[in-house]
Amino acid sequence: QKEVEQNSGPLSVPEGAIASLNCTYSDRGSQSFFWYRQYSGKSPELIMFIYSNGDKEDGRFTAQLNKASQYVSLLIRDSQPSDSATYLCAGVLTGRRALTFGSGTRLQVQP
Amino acid sequence: DAGVIQSPRHEVTEMGQEVTLRCKPISGHDYLFWYRQTMMRGLELLIYFNNNVPIDDSGMPEDRFSAKMPNASFSTLKIQPSEPRDSAVYFCASSTRTGTNYGYTFGSGTRLTVV
Repeated sequence: QKEVEQNSGPLSVPEGAIASLNCTYSDRGSQSFFWYRQYSGKSPELIMFIYSNGDKEDGRFTAQLNKASQYVSLLIRDSQPSDSATYLCAGVLTGRRALTFGSGTRLQVQP
Repeated sequence: DAGVIQSPRHEVTEMGQEVTLRCKPISGHDYLFWYRQTMMRGLELLIYFNNNVPIDDSGMPEDRFSAKMPNASFSTLKIQPSEPRDSAVYFCASSTRTGTNYGYTFGSGTRLTVV
């Protein structure tokens, strides 16, 4: 089992819809989680992080963390074609300082 | 702030040659990370430094890979000898230990092709 697991997609949503991206992790002691966006041929860019159970909102983005279920999600409201990218979930696993990344989910927003 | 600066952006080399990748972290960031990204394996941590000291190099594939950070503003990742399976995008990232958000800032990456 991968330490941080994501469905590779692609996840296709129409413009204006809510895109829901999911991530699970195997280490129950994991702390903070981060969502990065990576456009094709570019470097990952930090969108937001979450370390407490519940929801955290930043503009059109909402991160959700459920430590009991070992589940992290990212919701993108009013999806735009410019949101089309690969979204990487990353976590700080027990005993590590460096982020462990999932393989990413490719999102396609159809105009 | 110029961000994390990596060079070269692209490198094509022949198998068996030495390759050196360079990174300048953001000033004031005391953590520096080297990651490798491939389609098959995603983003993998190779090594990271704290205050110029290597902390965890367990991700370095084998003895052909080495990394140094001689000062707070410069790091190198060297592959000698290079092999075709080393072809990947190599990212350098830096972060600061202050605050609860220590998400990384990534450089633009070096796309390495070994033929």
